[in-house]
Amino acid sequence: DIQMTQSPSALSASVGDRVTITCQASQDISKFLNWYQQKPGKAPKLLIYDASSLQPGVPSRFSGSGSGTYFTFTISSLQPEDIATYYCQQYDNEPSYTFGQGTKLEIK
Amino acid sequence: QVQLQESGPGLVKPSQTLSLTCTVSGGSISSGNYYWSWIRQHPGKGLEWIGYIYSTESTYYNPSLRSRVSISVDSSKNQFSLKLNSVTDADSAVYYCATEDTTTKGSFDSWGQGALVTVSS
Repeated sequence: DIQMTQSPSALSASVGDRVTITCQASQDISKFLNWYQQKPGKAPKLLIYDASSLQPGVPSRFSGSGSGTYFTFTISSLQPEDIATYYCQQYDNEPSYTFGQGTKLEIK
Repeated sequence: QVQLQESGPGLVKPSQTLSLTCTVSGGSISSGNYYWSWIRQHPGKGLEWIGYIYSTESTYYNPSLRSRVSISVDSSKNQFSLKLNSVTDADSAVYYCATEDTTTKGSFDSWGQGALVTVSS
């Protein structure tokens, strides 16, 4: 199995801040990485696919980058509605998909 | 995008079989355009992919659950189902159905709202 390690596990930031979350794969997964947002009591929502492609309808303040084993997810200017838990997910070893453990983002 | 809705018992006894159904709207389950997956989330924890079915008969399961899980399709009802047998309290979780479009395989772009299943006697 490919293991996905997210950092940090929790993060507190102020409205307007730039926020960055990292995800490290246990082996090379090329660009085959997604990012999801999950709000409390809701299903995850796909934000970024192929490491850096923005899902249609997702605000441009969200972005992703990276390839191989190291990936980053960035919110350029944190908004109150961005409070959620964010997950990375690899699909290089498809169809055995694995997710990171999540990063809980809170407002300071 | 299709819309998905899970249904099934919220309480299952240990050693019994967990059964959930996902009803699909806005698209045909037989179209061959989607992979139909189940994903679960233990309380306060991360996400675990369980498996998928494609084109009504091709299945693939998470190796860690393969011996206990099956996914099937009922085309007449536009539904797909999950069965997980010999459950323990470790199988208590929110179960989601989700889809991958065949053009963006690996990316779950539609999800149900989730069904909480508790394993308890």
